Amino acid sequence: KQEVTQIPAALSVPEGENLVLNCSFTDSAIYNLQWFRQDPGKGLTSLLLIQSSQREQTSGRLNASLDKSSGRSTLYIAASQPGDSATYLCAASSGSARQLTFGSGTQLTVLP
Amino acid sequence: KAGVTQTPRYLIKTRGQQVTLSCSPISGHRSVSWYQQTPGQGLQFLFEYFSETQRNKGNFPGRFSGRQFSNSRSEMNVSTLELGDSALYLCASSAGQDYSPLHFGNGTRLTVT
Repeated sequence: KQEVTQIPAALSVPEGENLVLNCSFTDSAIYNLQWFRQDPGKGLTSLLLIQSSQREQTSGRLNASLDKSSGRSTLYIAASQPGDSATYLCAASSGSARQLTFGSGTQLTVLP
Repeated sequence: KAGVTQTPRYLIKTRGQQVTLSCSPISGHRSVSWYQQTPGQGLQFLFEYFSETQRNKGNFPGRFSGRQFSNSRSEMNVSTLELGDSALYLCASSAGQDYSPLHFGNGTRLTVT
């Protein structure tokens, strides 16, 4: 059974800082790993998807890496802004590409 | 391109009642998945439909059921509601290929009293 863990549970940083969010998973037989952000009371916004054969994906100030052998993924956010404040969730798909197992999230606060 | 639309946004029901939630996927997407989000259990997979067929099912009791129509719209039904069913129910659509990202709606907040 896939288990996904995210550390830390909460993070507070000053604006402009670069930061890394961590995600670990127990079953390396994944289809892909996806990162989302969730704003309070809202649904999930897809940020990046890394296929199992890939090592990283980039979108703007975001870079996500995947190391299947160690069961880890990281989300790097460059030059953080107050608008980046949200809960960030990682999710691994195994068994089925659309059956995601989610971590409990990292609540990020970027202070102006 | 319109996103995933879920209706209603909020629902209040009484224990023992049943409820139906609706989800309209992104145009062209044939896969619809449902997730339950609670403070205690986080996000949990309910089931996935593709071309009107249930493809995968999570570990939820039979009170939770769903269906998908020929236009890919999906409904989720919960019968004999329990207090523990109070949650944010999220629908996600995707193109259906293994490496297609999931796109989520804003969810339906269900409160059972």
